[in-house]
Amino acid sequence: KAGVTQTPRYLIKTRGQQVTLSCSPISGHRSVSWYQQTPGQGLQFLFEYFSETQRNKGNFPGRFSGRQFSNSRSEMNVSTLELGDSALYLCASMVGPSSGANVLTFGAGSRLTVL
Amino acid sequence: EDKVVQSPLSLVVHEGDTVTLNCSYEVTNFRSLLWYKQEKKAPTFLFMLTSSGIEKKSGRLSSILDKKELFSILNITATQTGDSAVYLCAVTTGANNLFFGTGTRLTVIP
Repeated sequence: KAGVTQTPRYLIKTRGQQVTLSCSPISGHRSVSWYQQTPGQGLQFLFEYFSETQRNKGNFPGRFSGRQFSNSRSEMNVSTLELGDSALYLCASMVGPSSGANVLTFGAGSRLTVL
Repeated sequence: EDKVVQSPLSLVVHEGDTVTLNCSYEVTNFRSLLWYKQEKKAPTFLFMLTSSGIEKKSGRLSSILDKKELFSILNITATQTGDSAVYLCAVTTGANNLFFGTGTRLTVIP
């Protein structure tokens, strides 16, 4: 059973550009969450999607957006990149909406560097 | 404000030592506490705790939750270099939110 797949694994952008990251969840998993990980802030929740609908959103500016497709694959987009957006972006999937009984399975992440 | 605090932020031990990692939390409507190990990129699941006082154990790793004092500990006995990683604590709430701590970076020296 394939795990959570994120692409690209590494990318370098310059300030002002935009970036799109992709996440394919484990087969059968319909909930996808996105996290930003930086050394100082740890894992910060971005948003969660289930059945193509955003269910939860973290405290990030509107430059950060996402969507989910009918096959549960998800993309996140960051527009007008800033230096502080440099981070590891992790995607995680689970069978259904967040609950105490479900456990996230993470992908390997997309390492974004903004110059 | 919901928060999860892990301590220490980092520690360095020698192989064979026993370590205890701490996770305290303040959240509204607690549901469960999760521990993850992150070696290079993808965090991998270790334990999920929902009840106080019941120890979860997997090999040399064990964890316990105290819902009265709002904390959990993760113990690793007879540490090995392969235990070197960032250990993440996360708490889920009744509002279906998941909050992570900043992690504890463990380095095990041969």
